[in-house]
This record gives sequence, C-alpha cells and structure tokens, in this order.
Amino acid sequence: QSALTQPASVSGSPGQTITISCTGSSRDVGVYNYVSWYQQFPGKAPKLIIYEVSNRPSGISNRFSGSKSGNTASLTISGIQAEDEADYYCSSYTNSGTFVVFGTGTKVTVL
Amino acid sequence: QVRLQESGPGLVKSSETLSLTCSVSGASVSTGSYYWIWIRQPPGKGLEWIGYISDSGATNYYPSLKSRVAMSADRSKNQFSLRLTSVTAADTAVYYCARAGVGMRLSVLDSWGQGTLVTVSS
Repeated sequence: QSALTQPASVSGSPGQTITISCTGSSRDVGVYNYVSWYQQFPGKAPKLIIYEVSNRPSGISNRFSGSKSGNTASLTISGIQAEDEADYYCSSYTNSGTFVVFGTGTKVTVL
Repeated sequence: QVRLQESGPGLVKSSETLSLTCSVSGASVSTGSYYWIWIRQPPGKGLEWIGYISDSGATNYYPSLKSRVAMSADRSKNQFSLRLTSVTAADTAVYYCARAGVGMRLSVLDSWGQGTLVTVSS
C-alpha cells in the first residue's frame, strides 16, 4: 500500500519537545484537514490521539499537539515522558480511491 | 463506551479463507453516522487499510484486496465480519476492527478492537 512518509525513529530526553513529520501529497495531506495521529504500544491496538489535524479526543494529554503546513503534517510531543515511548502513525483522507492512507510509522524513544 | 472485539481462527492454511468477526457493544453497526473498518498489521510492519462496511451495508475495499475481500454485518448480533479468500503468507497479520466517521472522517478511527493475530500456514 502507498503510504505517507514518516521518519523511522525520533528520540528525546525526558522533558524535551519532539516533532514527528508526516509527508503526503496534494491528494491527501495537502488538500484535506483530515489528518489523524495514533499511538501504539507494543502488542496493543493503536489509539487515536489527534484528529482533523489538531484536535485532541477527550482524555488525551495536551502535551500532544498537531499541525499542518502544505503537504506535511506534524505531531509534537511537549515535555516528553517515558510513558510516551511508543510507535506513532499518521493517517489522512485521500482522493486516490483508497479513502484512507496511513503513515509508515515512527518509533519514539525516550532516552 | 464503544467496545469492539475480534474473534476467529488464529491459524489458516494457505489458499483457504480467513474469516473474522467483530462484536460491537456500546454502539449499533446498523444506525448512526459511523463506518465499520477492518485494518491489518503484518508483524513488525505498519497499518494497512482493508476496507469498510457502512451502517446501511455499503462496502468499499482496498483495490489490491478487492478481488479477495468481502465484508458483511449481522444486525441482530451487532457484529460485522471479514472474509479474505485464497490467503497466502503475505496475509499473516494482526487484524483489527475499528469504528470510523463517515465521509472524510474515515481517517478518524476512534475505537479499536484489541486485534487478533492470524497466521497463514503452508
């Protein structure tokens, strides 16, 4: 499956701020404000943490924030904590005929 | 609170049919503005979209899987199901069911099942 491009890994020390990019195209991220982000711990199901670019579902820490510029969306984790160590995936609505495209995934490591 | 739970065989022989069911509680698969989704994740890899079934029973599948996939819903049991025919080792994955919004909100998967590992054996 075609996918949005994410860095394979991002790391940071506790308390630092990290940003994960999600690069798509003019068929998805660039034209729709329907970018979501999911957090996945090993052996667990993904969990929605950001939707429609920058909205947080109820119960999600405000340390997580989302933004978008052109064909690239970003997830920022402020004041990163050990409990944030997980895999993160972006997704976007797409007009390519598949409706939804996922990112390649980013492993976040807290040093 | 919406809960989803996948069930089905964990081992399927190559060339046979994979069948999974997702039981839903806290929401109805036949009413409301939601689509019901199947996604899979091969071991150590990323998420793959399989397709959806709407509350009215309309379906849509990922193009490369379209010839082998069928989804259905059983309103009386509040369940929806996935059938994938002619499986190969490439179909080995954790299969998730999830709930998504309609239209462009298909990318908003707000509830997920815990996932079930299906291994295709030769």
